[in-house]
Amino acid sequence: DAKTTQPPSMDCAEGRAANLPCNHSTISGNEYVYWYRQIHSQGPQYIIHGLKNNETNEMASLIITEDRKSSTLILPHATLRDTAVYYCIVRVGGTSYGKLTFGQGTILTVHP
Amino acid sequence: GAVVSQHPSRVICKSGTSVKIECRSLDFQATTMFWYRQFPKKSLMLMATSNEGSKATYEQGVEKDKFLINHASLTLSTLTVTSAHPEDSSFYICSASRRTGPHEQYFGPGTRLTVT
Repeated sequence: DAKTTQPPSMDCAEGRAANLPCNHSTISGNEYVYWYRQIHSQGPQYIIHGLKNNETNEMASLIITEDRKSSTLILPHATLRDTAVYYCIVRVGGTSYGKLTFGQGTILTVHP
Repeated sequence: GAVVSQHPSRVICKSGTSVKIECRSLDFQATTMFWYRQFPKKSLMLMATSNEGSKATYEQGVEKDKFLINHASLTLSTLTVTSAHPEDSSFYICSASRRTGPHEQYFGPGTRLTVT
């Protein structure tokens, strides 16, 4: 699976949009971009995934560049409860049974 | 969304004893379950992939005789830490994926193991 690079930490003011970048310059054509987050001392939570088109769900939006070498996760109105470690993971295929390889992620701190 | 539970949530055991951790998919059938461990301030590290009805596949460096995995049904996988030592103290997390349907994996809440 392709390696991803994320900033180690970011800050965001409550109510503002949080934009979390991820570089995956060696991504292959059949690899999807997945985002998970982990709130302290809990199991990771799925946020969103995409292949090449931008995606939006009730939690977030995922913007993937045209060359697919990078992506941005957008939390449109961050709240204090969004403080967590955010992981960008690239994985082959669109199935659920492939393993996920977690990097160091980005620690997002949302402050009042 | 789908729910995955783990039991126990916390366990303290003495060095040399064995500890069993259960991972259950509560509202779906999971053909594949994954076991991770996480040390403080570190990322999740995949230990093994557990397939229902077959032997688990362990990641490089993970001792299969130390970390016994059983996936006896489509809703239950167990991880047994045998002859536990203090260095096995960690946060153990499982995840499960459906046979078909959505792409995401569903994670359990984790089990905090402390070996004294």
